[in-house]
Amino acid sequence: EVHLAESGGGLVQPGGSLRLSCAASGFTFSDFAMTWVRQAPGKGLEWVASINGAGTTTYYTDLVKGRFVISRDTSRRAVYLEMDGLRVDDSAVYFCAKAMFPRNYLFVSWGQGTLVAVSS
Amino acid sequence: DIVMTQSPDSLAVSLGEGATINCKSSQSVLHTTTGKNSLAWYQQKPGQPPKLLLYWASTRASEVPDRFSGSGSATEFTLTIRSLQAEDVATYYCHQFHRTPFSFGPGTKVEI
Repeated sequence: EVHLAESGGGLVQPGGSLRLSCAASGFTFSDFAMTWVRQAPGKGLEWVASINGAGTTTYYTDLVKGRFVISRDTSRRAVYLEMDGLRVDDSAVYFCAKAMFPRNYLFVSWGQGTLVAVSS
Repeated sequence: DIVMTQSPDSLAVSLGEGATINCKSSQSVLHTTTGKNSLAWYQQKPGQPPKLLLYWASTRASEVPDRFSGSGSATEFTLTIRSLQAEDVATYYCHQFHRTPFSFGPGTKVEI
């Protein structure tokens, strides 16, 4: 059974940094793309970043480009989101998700999310 | 960028009645080589992560009841819930995974 568990969220001041982690189990980790999607309180879903199975290709929403970095470690079966220059409007629950098919970005399995709050 | 819109924003449906949610994309999400639409529908209940309901516009995900169905192609899509059950109260999002930046619709809240 696929299991994804996010961690690393918390309260941070504007301009600060956080590193989110997503621990994955139950599937051949390197075969599938992974993504981060966020949801501000009471708001809709917003795609943040994706990384392919090999970790060689990354994609970002313009809202975080240059501030966030997505990466993955196959040996640790983990995906990361390094977030710098955090802004108040980055506050959200951050979900990690696994692609349904190899070489595809349809996201089928999701973690429970980790809350990031950016406030002074 | 592909912008997704949904209508209505919310709807109230009686138990056992049907519900229809519409989704439009600002550009076609149809793969001309495969004939598949890179359009998915998610259901999200409060405090939970999204759950995949349908993909390729009309293929039900694993263990999704057959009262959920999807239709449409290119830029216009529909999610239909036949005979609404109490557990279907949720917010429903359409999502295009055709090209980056991937995008979601704003959501439609379904209530009893």
